[in-house]
Amino acid sequence: DIQMTQSPSSLSESVGNRVTITCRASQDISTSLAWYQQTPGKAPKLLLYGASRLESGVPSRFSGSASGTDFTLAISSLQSEDFATYYCQQYYTNPWTFGQGTKVEI
Amino acid sequence: QVPLQESGPGLVKPSETLSLTCNVSGGSVKSDWWSWIRQPPGRELEWIGHIYYTGSTGYNPSLKSRVTLSVDTSKNQLSLKLAFVTATDTAVYYCAKMRSGSYGYYFDYWGQGSLVTVTS
Repeated sequence: DIQMTQSPSSLSESVGNRVTITCRASQDISTSLAWYQQTPGKAPKLLLYGASRLESGVPSRFSGSASGTDFTLAISSLQSEDFATYYCQQYYTNPWTFGQGTKVEI
Repeated sequence: QVPLQESGPGLVKPSETLSLTCNVSGGSVKSDWWSWIRQPPGRELEWIGHIYYTGSTGYNPSLKSRVTLSVDTSKNQLSLKLAFVTATDTAVYYCAKMRSGSYGYYFDYWGQGSLVTVTS
């Protein structure tokens, strides 16, 4: 299975600041990576796919990039509704696997 | 929007079979591939398996021997059965619609999830 490792596991930031989260794949996955946002008690919500393609309806302050097996999710200006846990997921090879999550706290 | 709603018993005894259903509304179960995904308390997400309305399936090798997925097109409903459960199967179980990417699938709509606790 392809292992997805996220860092950091948690971070604290203030509203208005920029946040970056990294996801590293254990092998080449091209750009077959999606990012999800999960708030407590809710289902995950798709934010980006194809490493950098924004899902319809997702604010443009979210962006994604890729460099080899390293992927980055950036939030340009953190809003109160962005405090959540973020997961990456590879869809290059079955079984589809997720990172362990990054919790963004105030 | 493709509303999905999981339902089933919240408690299951060890060694028994966990059974959940997922109602698909606002769309047809024939239109896409569908997955089940679970999340143990405080843990990351784990893909369980996927199914197409024709009955074609794919399973996570880690669970394959215990999982059965099925689809009822007349009810627009998906089903998950997980046999011989233990405490490590305690999790929130989600059904999700799959969208095709360049190589595989990601998940664009999710149900709200159903918490299943394995306890005697």
